[in-house]
Amino acid sequence: KNEVEQSPQNLTAQEGEFITINCSYSVGISALHWLQQHPGGGIVSLFMLSSGKKKHGRLIATINIQEKHSSLHITASHPRDSAVYICAVQNYGGSQGNLIFGKGTKLSVKP
Amino acid sequence: EPEVTQTPSHQVTQMGQEVILRCVPISNHLYFYWYRQILGQKVEFLVSFYNNEISEKSEIFDDQFSVERPDGSNFTLKIRSTKLEDSAMYFCASSDSLLSGRAMNEQFFGPGTRLTVL
Repeated sequence: KNEVEQSPQNLTAQEGEFITINCSYSVGISALHWLQQHPGGGIVSLFMLSSGKKKHGRLIATINIQEKHSSLHITASHPRDSAVYICAVQNYGGSQGNLIFGKGTKLSVKP
Repeated sequence: EPEVTQTPSHQVTQMGQEVILRCVPISNHLYFYWYRQILGQKVEFLVSFYNNEISEKSEIFDDQFSVERPDGSNFTLKIRSTKLEDSAMYFCASSDSLLSGRAMNEQFFGPGTRLTVL
């Protein structure tokens, strides 16, 4: 059973397009994280959310706790945004912050 | 900007050998984690560590695995007798904690160690 589901699994976009990646989860959470994994494997934290919306540059993350759903949006996408985007949640029952990961969405932005 | 570092970047070993993966978390962080990612699969939690002891561990983290913070800066993951299925990317992460003893803050990941077991 997958506690964190992401869609789509793969996404190809043209440069400049608005991109949305979705994440649904089935457990009670204390926080949700959006992470970016580069082709070399390194993981970078983009956002940590427990409610509402956060914005950083061209990236926007939203979460709806009642619906157990989060979205990551990229405005004016660029080829350098090509990466795997991973949604991960901190289970509310866990006290030490370990994350449960989705399978990731592989984004490819073409020039 | 402070960052988590990991060494080595790539480790090749023979099945049955012991390996130690090393991590230097960000210096003022209190919570430490090991995760692994088998090629083509999702990242999985292995173990969390706080106050010099294991806080939580997953089913993956069996008796072959151990963690240690030997000197206040390094955080190590030891695999006693490696198996083929231990081949994966291993990520260390750290975070600080500000709210009621829960690790509520962003986790910072190291670049990973790619372990190949032959």
